[in-house]
Amino acid sequence: GAGVSQSPRYKVAKRGQDVALRCDPISGHVSLFWYQQALGQGPEFLTYFQNEAQLDKSGLPSDRFFAERPEGSVSTLKIQRTQQEDSAVYLCASSMDRSGEQYFGPGTRLTVT
Amino acid sequence: AQSVTQLGSHVSVSEGALVLLRCNYSSSVPPYLFWYVQYPNQGLQLLLKYTSAATLVKGINGFEAEFKKSETSFHLTKPSAHMSDAAEYFCAVSEGGGADGLTFGKGTHLIIQP
Repeated sequence: GAGVSQSPRYKVAKRGQDVALRCDPISGHVSLFWYQQALGQGPEFLTYFQNEAQLDKSGLPSDRFFAERPEGSVSTLKIQRTQQEDSAVYLCASSMDRSGEQYFGPGTRLTVT
Repeated sequence: AQSVTQLGSHVSVSEGALVLLRCNYSSSVPPYLFWYVQYPNQGLQLLLKYTSAATLVKGINGFEAEFKKSETSFHLTKPSAHMSDAAEYFCAVSEGGGADGLTFGKGTHLIIQP
Protein backbone atom coordinates (compact mmCIF):
# COMPACT_ATOMS: atom_id res chain seq x y z
CA GLY A 1 0.00 0.00 0.00
CA ALA A 2 1.14 3.52 -0.75
CA GLY A 3 2.19 5.80 2.05
CA VAL A 4 1.66 9.53 2.39
CA SER A 5 2.89 11.35 -0.69
CA GLN A 6 3.70 15.01 -1.10
CA SER A 7 4.34 17.13 -4.15
CA PRO A 8 6.41 18.82 -5.23
CA ARG A 9 9.35 17.45 -3.28
CA TYR A 10 11.30 20.66 -3.86
CA LYS A 11 10.03 24.15 -4.57
CA VAL A 12 11.98 27.33 -5.14
CA ALA A 13 9.95 30.52 -5.01
CA LYS A 14 10.91 34.14 -5.32
CA ARG A 15 9.89 36.36 -2.44
CA GLY A 16 6.35 37.53 -2.94
CA GLN A 17 5.20 34.55 -5.00
CA ASP A 18 2.33 32.30 -3.97
CA VAL A 19 2.94 28.55 -3.59
CA ALA A 20 0.71 25.50 -3.19
CA LEU A 21 1.90 22.29 -1.59
CA ARG A 22 -0.04 19.08 -2.01
CA CYS A 23 -0.52 16.13 0.32
CA ASP A 24 -2.04 12.78 -0.58
CA PRO A 25 -2.77 10.90 2.65
CA ILE A 26 -3.04 7.16 3.06
CA SER A 27 -6.38 6.03 1.64
CA GLY A 28 -9.08 5.93 4.30
CA HIS A 29 -7.18 8.00 6.84
CA VAL A 30 -9.53 10.39 8.56
CA SER A 31 -7.05 12.78 10.11
CA LEU A 32 -4.49 14.91 8.30
CA PHE A 33 -1.82 17.15 9.80
CA TRP A 34 0.58 19.76 8.46
CA TYR A 35 3.90 20.58 10.14
CA GLN A 36 6.70 23.04 9.36
CA GLN A 37 10.29 21.95 9.99
CA ALA A 38 12.93 24.65 9.89
CA LEU A 39 16.55 23.66 9.33
CA GLY A 40 17.99 21.97 12.40
CA GLN A 41 14.69 22.05 14.29
CA GLY A 42 11.91 19.65 15.12
CA PRO A 43 8.62 19.78 13.24
CA GLU A 44 6.13 22.38 14.43
CA PHE A 45 2.39 21.84 14.18
CA LEU A 46 0.52 24.03 11.73
CA THR A 47 -2.99 22.69 11.30
CA TYR A 48 -5.20 19.59 11.56
CA PHE A 49 -8.16 18.21 9.63
CA GLN A 50 -10.65 15.53 10.49
CA ASN A 51 -12.19 14.59 7.16
CA GLU A 52 -12.90 17.94 5.49
CA ALA A 53 -13.24 19.89 8.72
CA GLN A 54 -10.29 21.99 9.83
CA LEU A 55 -10.43 21.47 13.58
CA ASP A 56 -7.29 23.30 14.62
CA LYS A 57 -5.32 25.96 12.78
CA SER A 58 -3.65 27.47 15.81
CA GLY A 59 -0.15 26.78 14.46
CA LEU A 60 -0.48 28.71 11.20
CA PRO A 61 2.10 31.51 11.59
CA SER A 62 0.20 34.20 9.73
CA ASP A 63 -2.85 34.85 7.59
CA ARG A 64 -0.66 34.23 4.55
CA PHE A 65 -0.94 30.53 5.31
CA PHE A 66 -4.09 28.71 4.29
CA ALA A 67 -4.92 24.98 4.20
CA GLU A 68 -7.85 23.10 2.76
CA ARG A 69 -9.11 19.56 2.37
CA PRO A 70 -12.37 20.01 0.48
CA GLU A 71 -13.30 16.37 -0.07
CA GLY A 72 -11.71 14.91 3.02
CA SER A 73 -8.81 13.34 1.17
CA VAL A 74 -6.14 15.38 -0.62
CA SER A 75 -5.02 18.52 1.16
CA THR A 76 -3.32 21.66 -0.09
CA LEU A 77 -1.26 24.09 1.97
CA LYS A 78 -1.10 27.49 0.32
CA ILE A 79 1.33 30.23 1.24
CA GLN A 80 0.67 33.67 -0.18
CA ARG A 81 3.32 36.34 -0.74
CA THR A 82 6.13 34.06 0.40
CA GLN A 83 8.90 35.49 2.57
CA GLN A 84 12.38 34.19 3.31
CA GLU A 85 11.38 33.01 6.77
CA ASP A 86 8.91 30.63 5.12
CA SER A 87 11.84 28.54 3.87
CA ALA A 88 11.47 25.15 5.53
CA VAL A 89 10.41 21.57 4.96
CA TYR A 90 6.63 21.17 5.09
CA LEU A 91 5.56 17.77 6.36
CA CYS A 92 2.17 16.17 6.00
CA ALA A 93 0.96 13.29 8.16
CA SER A 94 -2.20 11.23 8.26
CA SER A 95 -3.74 8.88 10.79
CA MET A 96 -6.56 6.39 10.62
CA ASP A 97 -8.27 7.34 13.82
CA ARG A 98 -7.54 8.52 17.33
CA SER A 99 -4.87 5.81 17.77
CA GLY A 100 -2.23 8.47 17.75
CA GLU A 101 -0.02 6.92 15.10
CA GLN A 102 0.67 9.55 12.50
CA TYR A 103 2.26 8.45 9.22
CA PHE A 104 4.47 11.10 7.67
CA GLY A 105 5.18 11.93 4.06
CA PRO A 106 8.69 12.79 2.79
CA GLY A 107 8.01 16.52 2.91
CA THR A 108 8.27 19.43 0.52
CA ARG A 109 11.40 21.54 0.85
CA LEU A 110 10.49 25.17 0.15
CA THR A 111 13.25 27.66 -0.52
CA VAL A 112 12.30 31.33 -0.84
CA THR A 113 14.92 33.46 -2.54
CA ALA B 1 1.07 23.95 27.49
CA GLN B 2 3.08 20.93 26.52
CA SER B 3 6.77 20.94 25.64
CA VAL B 4 9.65 18.57 25.00
CA THR B 5 13.35 18.97 25.76
CA GLN B 6 15.92 16.71 24.16
CA LEU B 7 19.31 16.93 25.84
CA GLY B 8 22.17 16.85 23.38
CA SER B 9 21.74 17.91 19.79
CA HIS B 10 24.40 15.35 18.80
CA VAL B 11 25.21 12.00 20.39
CA SER B 12 28.10 9.84 19.22
CA VAL B 13 28.51 6.19 20.19
CA SER B 14 30.65 3.33 18.95
CA GLU B 15 29.12 0.49 16.99
CA GLY B 16 27.97 -2.15 19.49
CA ALA B 17 27.74 0.31 22.39
CA LEU B 18 24.65 1.35 24.33
CA VAL B 19 22.53 4.10 22.81
CA LEU B 20 20.84 6.54 25.22
CA LEU B 21 18.88 9.51 23.90
CA ARG B 22 17.31 11.74 26.52
CA CYS B 23 13.85 13.29 26.45
CA ASN B 24 12.05 15.27 29.15
CA TYR B 25 8.51 16.52 28.73
CA SER B 26 6.11 18.98 30.27
CA SER B 27 2.39 18.35 30.16
CA SER B 28 -0.62 19.48 32.16
CA VAL B 29 -2.40 16.16 31.66
CA PRO B 30 -1.20 12.55 31.44
CA PRO B 31 0.69 12.62 28.18
CA TYR B 32 1.04 10.37 25.19
CA LEU B 33 4.72 10.18 24.23
CA PHE B 34 6.39 9.21 20.98
CA TRP B 35 9.82 8.65 19.50
CA TYR B 36 10.28 9.16 15.75
CA VAL B 37 13.34 8.58 13.56
CA GLN B 38 14.14 10.60 10.44
CA TYR B 39 16.61 9.45 7.81
CA PRO B 40 17.98 12.00 5.32
CA ASN B 41 15.39 13.19 2.79
CA GLN B 42 12.73 10.94 4.29
CA GLY B 43 9.68 11.48 6.43
CA LEU B 44 9.47 10.63 10.09
CA GLN B 45 8.97 7.00 11.06
CA LEU B 46 7.41 6.00 14.38
CA LEU B 47 9.77 4.00 16.59
CA LEU B 48 7.50 3.58 19.60
CA LYS B 49 4.77 5.23 21.63
CA TYR B 50 3.62 5.39 25.26
CA THR B 51 -0.14 5.46 25.78
CA SER B 52 -0.50 5.03 29.57
CA ALA B 53 -0.27 1.25 29.52
CA ALA B 54 3.08 -0.38 30.34
CA THR B 55 5.77 2.10 31.35
CA LEU B 56 8.45 0.19 29.43
CA VAL B 57 7.68 0.40 25.75
CA LYS B 58 9.36 -1.71 23.10
CA GLY B 59 9.59 -0.47 19.55
CA ILE B 60 11.04 -1.36 16.22
CA ASN B 61 14.72 -2.00 15.44
CA GLY B 62 15.51 -3.02 19.01
CA PHE B 63 14.71 0.35 20.59
CA GLU B 64 12.83 0.78 23.83
CA ALA B 65 11.86 3.64 26.11
CA GLU B 66 10.77 3.92 29.73
CA PHE B 67 8.17 6.40 30.95
CA LYS B 68 9.13 7.82 34.36
CA LYS B 69 6.44 10.15 35.66
CA SER B 70 8.46 11.26 38.69
CA GLU B 71 11.26 12.42 36.41
CA THR B 72 8.99 13.54 33.54
CA SER B 73 11.28 11.58 31.26
CA PHE B 74 10.94 9.23 28.32
CA HIS B 75 14.53 8.29 27.39
CA LEU B 76 15.19 6.10 24.35
CA THR B 77 17.68 3.22 24.58
CA LYS B 78 19.13 0.43 22.49
CA PRO B 79 21.58 -2.10 23.93
CA SER B 80 23.85 -2.34 20.90
CA ALA B 81 24.18 0.32 18.22
CA HIS B 82 24.34 -0.55 14.53
CA MET B 83 25.68 1.64 11.76
CA SER B 84 22.18 1.76 10.29
CA ASP B 85 20.92 3.54 13.42
CA ALA B 86 22.63 6.77 12.36
CA ALA B 87 19.79 9.25 11.91
CA GLU B 88 17.89 12.12 13.55
CA TYR B 89 15.65 11.16 16.46
CA PHE B 90 12.71 13.19 17.69
CA CYS B 91 10.74 12.89 20.91
CA ALA B 92 7.15 14.17 20.80
CA VAL B 93 4.28 14.69 23.23
CA SER B 94 0.53 14.86 22.80
CA GLU B 95 -2.13 15.80 25.31
CA GLY B 96 -4.92 14.66 23.03
CA GLY B 97 -3.92 11.05 22.69
CA GLY B 98 -2.06 11.77 19.49
CA ALA B 99 -5.24 12.69 17.69
CA ASP B 100 -4.16 16.30 17.87
CA GLY B 101 -0.98 17.91 16.68
CA LEU B 102 2.23 16.61 18.19
CA THR B 103 4.76 18.84 19.96
CA PHE B 104 8.27 17.79 19.00
CA GLY B 105 11.66 18.33 20.57
CA LYS B 106 14.48 19.82 18.54
CA GLY B 107 15.92 16.41 17.75
CA THR B 108 19.11 14.50 18.48
CA HIS B 109 21.50 13.52 15.71
CA LEU B 110 22.86 10.05 16.45
CA ILE B 111 26.32 9.33 15.06
CA ILE B 112 27.67 5.78 15.04
CA GLN B 113 31.45 5.41 15.08
CA PRO B 114 32.84 2.26 13.45
